[in-house]
Amino acid sequence: DVVMTQTPPSLSVAIGQSVSISCKSSQSLVYSDGKTYLHWLLQSSGRSPKRLIYQVSNLDSGVPDRFSGTGSQKDFTLKISRVEAKDLGVYYCAQTTHFPYTFGAGTKLELK
Amino acid sequence: QIQLVQSGPELKKPGESVKISCKASGYTFTDYAMHWVKQAPGKGLKWMGWINTYTGKPTYADDFKGRFVFSLEASASTANLQISNLKNEDTATYFCARGLGFAYWGQGTLVTVSS
Repeated sequence: DVVMTQTPPSLSVAIGQSVSISCKSSQSLVYSDGKTYLHWLLQSSGRSPKRLIYQVSNLDSGVPDRFSGTGSQKDFTLKISRVEAKDLGVYYCAQTTHFPYTFGAGTKLELK
Repeated sequence: QIQLVQSGPELKKPGESVKISCKASGYTFTDYAMHWVKQAPGKGLKWMGWINTYTGKPTYADDFKGRFVFSLEASASTANLQISNLKNEDTATYFCARGLGFAYWGQGTLVTVSS
């Protein structure tokens, strides 16, 4: 199985700060079609996950451009600029290139 | 708008069975796969498998082969997850999620297994 290693496991941030979350996979996430199926999700407290970014860098509809995703092959980063209170929760990376699909363990973003 | 609405919470005893439903609306049900994801209390997300909503063919992750069954009521745009011979470790919230990349999620169904 592809292991997704997210760091850090938690982040304390002040409103307005910028943060980055790393996600590294144990195998390249480039599929045979040339696309990379690495996605970022946010699970706010008590809610279901919500996808923010798909295929490394594409923002889902309605997601503010304070969020950005970069990376390739096995190394990916989610950056949040000017953190707002509604950004708090647990962030997961997920890969849907290889079966079984797998998630990172999560990064909890909290207020400092 | 696209919605996935899941059935309500369940309290079951070990050895019993449970069936969770996920009703889709706002899109053509058979155009997108449906995935199932498990989240144990206080833990992360674990992919259970998926069902091809066009053919009805299920695919299970290794940890979910045997007691878990994905099925469809395509005429009702509904995907179901049935778990038999429930164990304490099946206590979790189960989510349905649409399509490759998990673009949309149900609200989750909490299944509690306790004697």
